[in-house]
Amino acid sequence: KQEVTQIPAALSVPEGENLVLNCSFTDSAIYNLQWFRQDPGKGLTSLLLIQSSQREQTSGRLNASLDKSSGRSTLYIAASQPGDSATYLCAVRLTDMRFGAGTRLTVKP
Amino acid sequence: GAVVSQHPSWVICKSGTSVKIECRSLDFQATTMFWYRQFPKQSLMLMATSNEGSKATYEQGVEKDKFLINHASLTLSTLTVTSAHPEDSSFYICSAPGTADYEQYFGPGTRLTVT
Repeated sequence: KQEVTQIPAALSVPEGENLVLNCSFTDSAIYNLQWFRQDPGKGLTSLLLIQSSQREQTSGRLNASLDKSSGRSTLYIAASQPGDSATYLCAVRLTDMRFGAGTRLTVKP
Repeated sequence: GAVVSQHPSWVICKSGTSVKIECRSLDFQATTMFWYRQFPKQSLMLMATSNEGSKATYEQGVEKDKFLINHASLTLSTLTVTSAHPEDSSFYICSAPGTADYEQYFGPGTRLTVT
């Protein structure tokens, strides 16, 4: 059974810092990996999707990498802003999607 | 991108009553839909996979008689929480695969509070 782990569970940084969120998964037989943002009490916003054949994806200040063989992905956020404060979830997909518990990010002004 | 809607966005019900949550794919057809549950400060947990025209597939530990799923059309799946109890209070989110096989679209979620 696929298990997805995210470290750290919570992170607080001052505005402007670069940061890395980590995601690991136990079964490398995945179709893709996706990073989401979730604001309190809200649904999911897709940030980046990496296909199993890809190594990384970039969107603005966000960069996600994937090392399928080792079961790891990282989400890099450059020049963090208070508006980046949210919970970040990673999910891996084969037939269905399995989610990590998320990292709660707080960016202090 | 494709849009998935959920109704209601929030609902409060009394213990012992039943609540129906709808999940609709607005501009595409979905033969499969997924139902997730999220408790406070926890991740999304897959409850069941809804299949149009056939029975849903439930994850281990999810009571199929309590969480009734009906996928009656290619754009609508419903989740009915029967005889709700306070411990069923949670955030329920549905999703559907898009036409591009790798895409998965999520609804905005339904907040259920059972008093």
